[in-house]
Amino acid sequence: AQSVTQLDSQVPVFEEAPVELRCNYSSSVSVYLFWYVQYPNQGLQLLLKYLSGSTLVKGINGFEAEFNKSQTSFHLRKPSVHISDTAEYFCAVSRNTGNQFYFGTGTSLTVIP
Amino acid sequence: GAGVSQSPSNKVTEKGKDVELRCDPISGHTALYWYRQSLGQGLEFLIYFQGNSAPDKSGLPSDRFSAERTGGSVSTLTIQRTQQEDSAVYLCASSSTGHGSYEQYFGPGTRLTVT
Repeated sequence: AQSVTQLDSQVPVFEEAPVELRCNYSSSVSVYLFWYVQYPNQGLQLLLKYLSGSTLVKGINGFEAEFNKSQTSFHLRKPSVHISDTAEYFCAVSRNTGNQFYFGTGTSLTVIP
Repeated sequence: GAGVSQSPSNKVTEKGKDVELRCDPISGHTALYWYRQSLGQGLEFLIYFQGNSAPDKSGLPSDRFSAERTGGSVSTLTIQRTQQEDSAVYLCASSSTGHGSYEQYFGPGTRLTVT
């Protein structure tokens, strides 16, 4: 079975500072990895995904994530955050058959002016 | 194009009543998922439909919960004899499992409050 751990439930960061949101997963099979973002009072939307190929993936709004198979991690990073990045971020994993998804408990990112 | 839609957006019900939540997935998406999002709990998987295959019901928390997907499109999640702990946002998502895809597209959710 797969599981996803988001190590930080809340991350406050000052505007224009860099940020890293951590995600670790456990799986005995090959997986696909995703980050979703949920802005206040909105639905979840895809930020970026890793299916195969380059381990560094770029998403929307300047975010990127790196797949590290040996460390079973998929940390999300942004070099300079904006106020508008304040949101809940969810890491998710699925088997590469593309069926059931497993989500982490989320990280609340708060950007401080 | 149209995204995933859910209705109602909000539902307040009395303890012990039954409720039905509806999800209209993106046209052509073969996979449909239901999740429950409680405050501070993340997303809890409930049930997964894929085409004409038998659904994966492994996430349903009790036999009060059931779901159907008619004609491979619209899905209804039914909660019988609702309890206060059922209060949460219920999210539906759909996906196309064609090569290079797999990401889920989420609906806006139904906020259920059991009083």
